[in-house]
Amino acid sequence: DTAVSQTPKYLVTQMGNDKSIKCEQNLGHDTMYWYKQDSKKFLKIMFSYNNKELIINETVPNRFSPKSPDKAHLNLHINSLELGDSAVYFCASSRGYPGGDYGYTFGSGTRLTVV
Amino acid sequence: GENVEQHPSTLSVQEGDSAVIKCTYSDSASNYFPWYKQELGKRPQLIIDIRSNVGEKKDQRIAVTLNKTAKHFSLHITETQPEDSAVYFCAASGTYKYIFGTGTRLKVLA
Repeated sequence: DTAVSQTPKYLVTQMGNDKSIKCEQNLGHDTMYWYKQDSKKFLKIMFSYNNKELIINETVPNRFSPKSPDKAHLNLHINSLELGDSAVYFCASSRGYPGGDYGYTFGSGTRLTVV
Repeated sequence: GENVEQHPSTLSVQEGDSAVIKCTYSDSASNYFPWYKQELGKRPQLIIDIRSNVGEKKDQRIAVTLNKTAKHFSLHITETQPEDSAVYFCAASGTYKYIFGTGTRLKVLA
């Protein structure tokens, strides 16, 4: 009955590889997000989508390509991984339009380690 | 630009004491202010929120206050317990996203 599920939970990979993280929500929310949490715990927005449409790309390198096949799914593909990409990536969803007055529900996070 | 400052970065209190975390936001258009609790290795979870038409909201041991004129909002936890130990994030609604504060690591000492 997980509301927002991400896979995989852990990802260890070498520099230069390409990897994907998947996210699915069963809450019927219209909006989904990707946030990056670095080692200092800062939560930084990467992308927001509303009904499959990209709303925000917050100056993320184009090595990161989100894809939303439908409003319940938002996947993140990363090309040519770099050491600085190591972080925890959180997917989240919310009702209404991005930035509205409904709280986020976060996924459990994907800890990406690039070696 | 849109920015949220959060203080303190770490806070240690004795069990049973109160804890207060303060945030300041920059965007006068922000109208929604959620607070999240993140336990070690877990996801952030919404614990309380407040909308701009309300000055204070309480839910059992936690309360949030909002001063729109000063662009300040605060989280108050009373009668702290060891299970309150976590990182707490404030956030303010921005343009198509929430802007998060930098987090406060709260330690409740038994």
